[in-house]
Amino acid sequence: DQQVKQNSPSLSVQEGRISILNCDYTNSMFDYFLWYKKYPAEGPTFLISISSIKDKNEDGRFTVFLNKSAKHLSLHIVPSQPGDSAVYFCAASEFGNEKLTFGTGTRLTIIP
Amino acid sequence: DGGITQSPKYLFRKEGQNVTLSCEQNLNHDAMYWYRQDPGQGLRLIYYSQIVNDFQKGDIAEGYSVSREKKESFPLTVTSAQKNPTAFYLCASWGQGAGETQYFGPGTRLLVL
Repeated sequence: DQQVKQNSPSLSVQEGRISILNCDYTNSMFDYFLWYKKYPAEGPTFLISISSIKDKNEDGRFTVFLNKSAKHLSLHIVPSQPGDSAVYFCAASEFGNEKLTFGTGTRLTIIP
Repeated sequence: DGGITQSPKYLFRKEGQNVTLSCEQNLNHDAMYWYRQDPGQGLRLIYYSQIVNDFQKGDIAEGYSVSREKKESFPLTVTSAQKNPTAFYLCASWGQGAGETQYFGPGTRLLVL
């Protein structure tokens, strides 16, 4: 049972435009959400997180939006740069639980 | 420099052989994790440990074993009972940084000969 879903396996975006990556979850106990970026043959690196008491969190070019009623979160990258080409994973955890459940990832390709 | 190291980067296993993947962290984190990544399947949790001398099974623990004798170290053994061990293995620890998050090592790719 996939509790965290990333339904788009891949996404291509023109350099300079906005990239929007989506993630859905089914477990209503999740209250902390994270996005990771991963290059091939490397470990994931943390990008940005959001707790369920917020609906938006920004860090530079990265913004995460959370819609609790729809059980949906999205990562916006603007403007997109060639170095953003990577696989992006969303992850979720329950309050007080340091165990993460990961989605299957979306491969983002930025076209120069 | 604080971080997580994994060794080796590549590991070859023969049929019926047990192999051990190393994971060391100097971040002073209590919790450590092992994940397996297969193409198109994201990261699946094998084992995790929230404190020294204690660990719990994750979603796909069969065919794997771990130990946590020191806070800094969380080695994973892939036993001969694991019938499909070829994958990319990632070790992580949990702590504070830019946010409360898991920090990952560079990974070990295990291949079966």
